[in-house]
Amino acid sequence: GAGVSQSPRYKVTKRGQDVALRCDPISGHVSLYWYRQALGQGPEFLTYFNYEAQQDKSGLPNDRFSAERPEGSISTLTIQRTEQRDSAMYRCASSLTGGLSTDTQYFGPGTRLTVL
Amino acid sequence: DQQVKQNSPSLSVQEGRISILNCDYTNSMFDYFLWYKKYPAEGPTFLISISSIKDKNEDGRFTVFLNKSAKHLSLHIVPSQPGDSAVYFCAASALRGSQGNLIFGKGTKLSVKP
Repeated sequence: GAGVSQSPRYKVTKRGQDVALRCDPISGHVSLYWYRQALGQGPEFLTYFNYEAQQDKSGLPNDRFSAERPEGSISTLTIQRTEQRDSAMYRCASSLTGGLSTDTQYFGPGTRLTVL
Repeated sequence: DQQVKQNSPSLSVQEGRISILNCDYTNSMFDYFLWYKKYPAEGPTFLISISSIKDKNEDGRFTVFLNKSAKHLSLHIVPSQPGDSAVYFCAASALRGSQGNLIFGKGTKLSVKP
């Protein structure tokens, strides 16, 4: 389909390993957002991009988390030296134009990360 | 410290009746509010929004009401249908200063009984 896709859908890893989560936004969408959603909670903002530029990373919990979008399309969220508290659903969203907060954000299905 | 609160984790209504989902916020800078709907194993889907310059926005069976003085908004679904059963998230953002950063509530699980 033409929606936001994320891979993998499920990731189980051991504590201390690095993981990379991928997001394919809707084609042509300028803005891309990463959220984290714990069980029983709403999505929590992590970071966002306009094209390839990271505009806001204030929601990244610590320096083990990083994100990139080198060509302004696909984005990767990387978590280094994973810890059990990183276990959550990681959601990506995209919107058509950048800088307009009224733009609808379209969410992907998420990647369920489990750190053992 | 939650800036967007949905105090009812669940709500059950009969098909054909009205569903009312409530949301409170604490940040007076919020001026744009949204409702998202989420089915199991899917991402949240945008449902309806309202700007702080309005107090009501209607789209078919869905109406969102905003009471700025009370920092409260509600989503009304009438008539409710079994397909409306989902988790509903309230979200808010500050148009001035923010670049689209949405703050979400914890969600309310709506069950519509046939």
